[in-house]
Amino acid sequence: DVKVTQSSRYLVKRTGEKVFLECVQDMDHENMFWYRQDPGLGLRLIYFSYDVKMKEKGDIPEGYSVSREKKERFSLILESASTNQTSMYLCASSYRGGPDTQYFGPGTRLTVL
Amino acid sequence: AQKITQTQPGMFVQEKEAVTLDCTYDTSDQSYGLFWYKQPSSGEMIFLIYQGSYDEQNATEGRYSLNFQKARKSANLVISASQLGDSAMYFCAMRGSNTGNQFYFGTGTSLTVIP
Repeated sequence: DVKVTQSSRYLVKRTGEKVFLECVQDMDHENMFWYRQDPGLGLRLIYFSYDVKMKEKGDIPEGYSVSREKKERFSLILESASTNQTSMYLCASSYRGGPDTQYFGPGTRLTVL
Repeated sequence: AQKITQTQPGMFVQEKEAVTLDCTYDTSDQSYGLFWYKQPSSGEMIFLIYQGSYDEQNATEGRYSLNFQKARKSANLVISASQLGDSAMYFCAMRGSNTGNQFYFGTGTSLTVIP
């Protein structure tokens, strides 16, 4: 069974704090993704990575950065958290190309006060 | 540009009845894949069904089937014999051959099954 894990299910941070969200997958997938999900907006892609040390901006990268030092691990970093970054963050992984689906982690609900 | 449209923010269905969730897409890719996911209140996204653009038959997985109409660019999800556990958000998504690493999602449909 594919397993994608995220470091926290719930997280509460203060404005201005640096926040790390970590994601680990065990299926040797090339691709990894970070989305944020807000009511009525669906899933919006923040960043994705198609290989170690490679990253591509998604639709809403502002205020975020990412790191992929190992194939199985993809980190999302909020350099200085703001209240408008309160959201559900979903990590996913997939093989490169083909009909394979993405596999999602359980999500992290981040609240920035 | 790739785009997925789900026009039904919320749907209600009686238990044991069938329901269709709409999804239309826009792409210039010749080859693409269409996916449906279920997200219960727990938050985890669960993959339900896949349809390839060159697949001639509609995909089926148990009580889920995908009504694929390529000329109309629609990929509706049909859930037969609805169960209370089907109450959830449902997302349609697409992956194109020219954007092979990226998935595009609709805004979702909230389905409520009424006993």
